[in-house]
Amino acid sequence: NAGVTQTPKFRILKIGQSMTLQCTQDMNHNYMYWYRQDPGMGLKLIYYSVGAGITDKGEVPNGYNVSRSTTEDFPLRLELAAPSQTSVYFCASSGTSGNEQFFGPGTRLTVL
Amino acid sequence: AQRVTQPEKLLSVFKGAPVELKCNYSYSGSPELFWYVQYSRQRLQLLLRHISRESIKGFTADLNKGETSFHLKKPFAQEEDSAMYYCALSYNTDKLIFGTGTRLQVFP
Repeated sequence: NAGVTQTPKFRILKIGQSMTLQCTQDMNHNYMYWYRQDPGMGLKLIYYSVGAGITDKGEVPNGYNVSRSTTEDFPLRLELAAPSQTSVYFCASSGTSGNEQFFGPGTRLTVL
Repeated sequence: AQRVTQPEKLLSVFKGAPVELKCNYSYSGSPELFWYVQYSRQRLQLLLRHISRESIKGFTADLNKGETSFHLKKPFAQEEDSAMYYCALSYNTDKLIFGTGTRLQVFP
């Protein structure tokens, strides 16, 4: 099992550009999450999903969108990139509510 | 509102010394707490959770509801324990809130 995979590993965007961060898991987990981690800070929840077709906002959803059309995939969309979105983005999945979360390797995004 | 506080950004000890990484939380419900660890060039992964009351890699953590704490302890630190440690609180049954993390450095 590959677990949770994220692409790309690194990306530099110009202000106003858009992009999609990909996240895929092969563990048949219902729960999936997107976090961002700014330097010196903890992980903050952007969006999460409890199953295909269901998504909900986390702590810092502004400027992002998500979709969950399949159990495996949970892409994160940035429509109009801003310097404040420079961060490391982590995707995670969990088999059941409140259980261990499995993390991807992260995507380092810089917006200039 | 729920909150997790890790007061130390960096904790440096020598090999064989005891280690205590502090974590305090604020939550009105019944807390479920976790410690996650990220070793150099590895993914963030679960170290232990309070409900299982296990010792993992020599680490233990006891939930103290009176002091709202969940400190991580190990009696004798090893060099391979050097990593970033994050305390996390589960709320609304399916979300986690993380502390800012403590970097543990264990010197030989």
